[in-house]
Amino acid sequence: GAGVSQTPSNKVTEKGKYVELRCDPISGHTALYWYRQSLGQGPEFLIYFQGTGAADDSGLPNDRFFAVRPEGSVSTLKIQRTERGDSAMYLCASSPVGGLGGYTFGSGTRLTVV
Amino acid sequence: AQRVTQPEKLLSVFKGAPVELKCNYSYSGSPELFWYVQYSRQRLQLLLRHISRESIKGFTADLNKGETSFHLKKPFAQEEDSAMYYCALLETSGSRLTFGEGTQLTVNP
Repeated sequence: GAGVSQTPSNKVTEKGKYVELRCDPISGHTALYWYRQSLGQGPEFLIYFQGTGAADDSGLPNDRFFAVRPEGSVSTLKIQRTERGDSAMYLCASSPVGGLGGYTFGSGTRLTVV
Repeated sequence: AQRVTQPEKLLSVFKGAPVELKCNYSYSGSPELFWYVQYSRQRLQLLLRHISRESIKGFTADLNKGETSFHLKKPFAQEEDSAMYYCALLETSGSRLTFGEGTQLTVNP
């Protein structure tokens, strides 16, 4: 596609529920990144994919968070047993190879856990 | 660990005035630095990269390794420059961008 697409744009869920957030990167971009942004803060790194594999998942806060990219294109961020503290904007970005050329960001998914 | 600091959360200037958004970093390797911008109701987008030594929309940024700074400057601010600006550092491995907390720039008429 022309840009990085994230769905849904907004998600409200109850505490304890499971959610999936989807990212469709720019076609041909091998690198894909997930970031989380809380109000008044800069984006925080969660995970980086190079192709199908997670090259760096050290930013995932705990084992409730998991992400996949099975075919090297679309990625899904999965959050189990959501907590109110998970409420944030979740951003996805992609780049051709690595990040030296800069990332292209999606418009994000606003997750609210009530 | 790498760190990016933007000391000003808010910055307000008048149209036509010079503007400087401060960014300091700490990183043990050779830094690759960026400025990203987010206009109201738009997605985060790349403004400029230090490796390109480019000027975008009249903005420039010079890497000062001695002061570990990468301040963003524009000699004459315009109202359309009002936005949130983030300084970011890319690890040598290229796998992770570390962002500062951002500076909200408001350019008043």
